[in-house]
Amino acid sequence: DVKVTQSSRYLVKRTGEKVFLECVQDMDHENMFWYRQDPGLGLRLIYFSYDVKMKEKGDIPEGYSVSREKKERFSLILESASTNQTSMYLCASRAGPRYEQYFGPGTRLTVT
Amino acid sequence: SQQGEEDPQALSIQEGENATMNCSYKTSINNLQWYRQNSGRGLVHLILIRSNEREKHSGRLRVTLDTSKKSSSLLITASRAADTASYFCATDAMGTYKYIFGTGTRLKVLA
Repeated sequence: DVKVTQSSRYLVKRTGEKVFLECVQDMDHENMFWYRQDPGLGLRLIYFSYDVKMKEKGDIPEGYSVSREKKERFSLILESASTNQTSMYLCASRAGPRYEQYFGPGTRLTVT
Repeated sequence: SQQGEEDPQALSIQEGENATMNCSYKTSINNLQWYRQNSGRGLVHLILIRSNEREKHSGRLRVTLDTSKKSSSLLITASRAADTASYFCATDAMGTYKYIFGTGTRLKVLA
């Protein structure tokens, strides 16, 4: 059974803290994604990685960075968390272009 | 605006009834996908329909695609309370690597 796991379901951080969100997939997928989901705005793509050590900015990359040192792991980093980064963060992976995405359970991050 | 726009935004039906939700998009696509999201959880892939397909079935789900109208519909037959969730369409625009999601239809099935 395919599986995408995220390091935390709920996370509370203070403004200015460095935050790491980790995502691991066990399907040997090439592509991995980070989205954030906010009410009324749907899913918005933060970053995309099409291969190990390769990344591309999505629609809202400001304030975020990513790391993909191994194929199965894709990390999202908030260098200095701000309250407007309070959101649900969703990781996804897929085998390649035009294939379905598999999502993790999400991390609900609150920045106070 | 979003590539995929679902309609209606919210839908409430009785158990056993059919639920239909629609998705419109703007540009040519390779494929269109439907996903379900239960409250506070990740998205689950339901069905993928390619641009050269017109209809696809999976269990109680039926998806149609009309590329001339740039629209798709998802029909859930004989709905159950467990179908209560948000449903999203995602389009894979030609020439891009990413999928664009709409804002979803919130379906509530009353027992």
